Amino acid sequence: SQKIEQNSEALNIQEGKTATLTCNYTNYSPAYLQWYRQDPGRGPVFLLLIRENEKEKRKERLKVTFDTTLKQSLFHITASQPADSATYLCALSSGGSYIPTFGRGTSLIVHP
Amino acid sequence: SAVISQKPSRDICQRGTSLTIQCQVDSQVTMMFWYRQQPGQSLTLIATANQGSEATYESGFVIDKFPISRPNLTFSTLTVSNMSPEDSSIYLCSVVVSGSGDTQYFGPGTRLTVL
Repeated sequence: SQKIEQNSEALNIQEGKTATLTCNYTNYSPAYLQWYRQDPGRGPVFLLLIRENEKEKRKERLKVTFDTTLKQSLFHITASQPADSATYLCALSSGGSYIPTFGRGTSLIVHP
Repeated sequence: SAVISQKPSRDICQRGTSLTIQCQVDSQVTMMFWYRQQPGQSLTLIATANQGSEATYESGFVIDKFPISRPNLTFSTLTVSNMSPEDSSIYLCSVVVSGSGDTQYFGPGTRLTVL
């Protein structure tokens, strides 16, 4: 069955360092992959979308890579700040569908 | 983008009762969805709300338990019927905005606790 894996353990890093979150998937051929941020008690907020034919995408301090051979996406936050502390969700979509499948998310805690 | 509001933001309900959650979008959208997020879990799609016709439910969700209305392109309601403690969750509506690519925008969610 299709499966999306994100590290269930929280990632703790020091302010100023680069945070790297991982999203692995199996039995899936996604057309594109999205990353969302979710704060406690709030709905997810869209951050970045990367398509299957793209290797990397950047937006300000954020960078996403997508390796369809490894079936993995990496999400990087450079120069991390305490305000970056949140849960980050990856979501995969097949071509022709607006309905993604979401991972459980990884909690990021940036310490001052 | 789209600005989405939900009412109520949270509620505590008794077993056996029903709660209707409202979702309002600031622009007309074609695609609107309802999700559930249980503690520590990923988002689970309940149904696609179709304007002017019956919602399309995902496996494991039925209309009798989660009736959905969508009278126009900016508004939808989800009712959680005959609630039990297992229905305690965050309920989220989301939309896909034309011209935004394939991005989903989410409402702030409704936190439901069933006693």
